[in-house]
Amino acid sequence: QSVLTQPPSVSAAPGQKVTISCSGSSSNIGNNYVSWYQQLPGTAPKLLIYDNHKRPSGIPDRFSGSKSGTSATLGITGLQTGDEADYYCGTWDSSLSSGVFGGGTKLTVL
Amino acid sequence: QVQLQESGPGLVKPSETLSLTCSVSDGSITSYYWSWIRQPPGKGLEWIGCIFYSGDTKYNPSLRSRVTISVDTSKNQFSLKLNSVTAADTAVYHCARLRGYYDSSFDYWGQGTLVTVSS
Repeated sequence: QSVLTQPPSVSAAPGQKVTISCSGSSSNIGNNYVSWYQQLPGTAPKLLIYDNHKRPSGIPDRFSGSKSGTSATLGITGLQTGDEADYYCGTWDSSLSSGVFGGGTKLTVL
Repeated sequence: QVQLQESGPGLVKPSETLSLTCSVSDGSITSYYWSWIRQPPGKGLEWIGCIFYSGDTKYNPSLRSRVTISVDTSKNQFSLKLNSVTAADTAVYHCARLRGYYDSSFDYWGQGTLVTVSS
């Protein structure tokens, strides 16, 4: 049972847009920065978004992040087959004094 | 470009201690927080804990009684010890660097090493 809640799976056609939600509480998302990670099959997670909406160098602007209250959203536009992966949200939980992740969302590009 | 590499036994017996080391190359271990994160087969990510180069540590409360993370700045390495392991501790263990303070994001990751707990 993850502290942050994500949908288990999402799907969309190539070229379309998809959003992935991440729901938490005031002790985590509500008062801390959210990050997003992409995990391609058989590889380590890769940082996509940090501080709610910032992209590391090399991450295309097709990827975007936003936060409102105790929820965060990852958006991906212009979907490509290479975007098929598991996506995780993460943040700090001030009550637990611990890092926390969502359960992950599997993106299928149909 | 910072590189992280996990090393350690791939098989540990139940009730024994899991020990892993993360070697940091092409970058200094100083001035950053470093973390361990694990992923059971087919499941999601679980934060284990982190350490600052000075030795300050934070641990997942669900694992705190069994976990110790340490750092060796002279070797540019940090380590994980998890005692009294059970089958539930079978996972891919990743080491990672935090961008900033302990509550920030993970910008560099090791490829991960699978540790199986079995007799």
